[in-house]
Amino acid sequence: DVVMTQTPVSLPVSLGGQASISCRSSQSLVHSNGNTYLHWYLQKPGQSPQLLIYRVSNRFSGVPDRFSGSGSGTDFTLKISRVEPEDLGDYYCLQSTHFPRTFGGGTKLELK
Amino acid sequence: QVQLKESGPGLVQPSQTLSLTCTVAGFSLTSYNVHWVRQPPGKGLEWMGVIWNTGGTRYNSALKSRLSISKDTSKSQVFLKMNSLQTEDTATYYCARERAISHVMDAWGQGASVTVSS
Repeated sequence: DVVMTQTPVSLPVSLGGQASISCRSSQSLVHSNGNTYLHWYLQKPGQSPQLLIYRVSNRFSGVPDRFSGSGSGTDFTLKISRVEPEDLGDYYCLQSTHFPRTFGGGTKLELK
Repeated sequence: QVQLKESGPGLVQPSQTLSLTCTVAGFSLTSYNVHWVRQPPGKGLEWMGVIWNTGGTRYNSALKSRLSISKDTSKSQVFLKMNSLQTEDTATYYCARERAISHVMDAWGQGASVTVSS
């Protein structure tokens, strides 16, 4: 199975500040069709996960441009600029290139 | 409006079988795959399996011997059955849709909390 290593586990931030989350995979996430299926989700307290970024760097419908994704191969990053209260929660990366699909362990974004 | 809603028993006895239903609205199961993902209390997310828009299935090998996913397209429902439940299967179970061949789960249900206990 592809192991997704997410860091940090906890990320204290100030409102208006910037946050960066890393996700590394144990093998390349480049699919045979050339696409890289690495996605980012936010799970707010008591809610189900919601899609933020798909295929490394594409913002999902309605996601503010404060969220950006980058990376390639096995190394990926989610950046959040100008953190707002509604951004707090648990962030997960997910790879859907290989089976079984695997999630990172999660990063809790919380107030400093 | 796209909706997915999980339903099922909140409490299951050890060694018994879990049956959950995911009822969808706003899209067709002939065009979308449906995944099941679970989350133990206070822990991360685990992918369980998928039923393709074509009706085929694929399971996490860690659960394969216990898990079955099926659907009734005419009723817009997807079913999960998992047998031989143990306390470590206590979790919130989510269904999520994925447009066929997109590889992206873009909408999730609210989740169904399941406790395995006698």
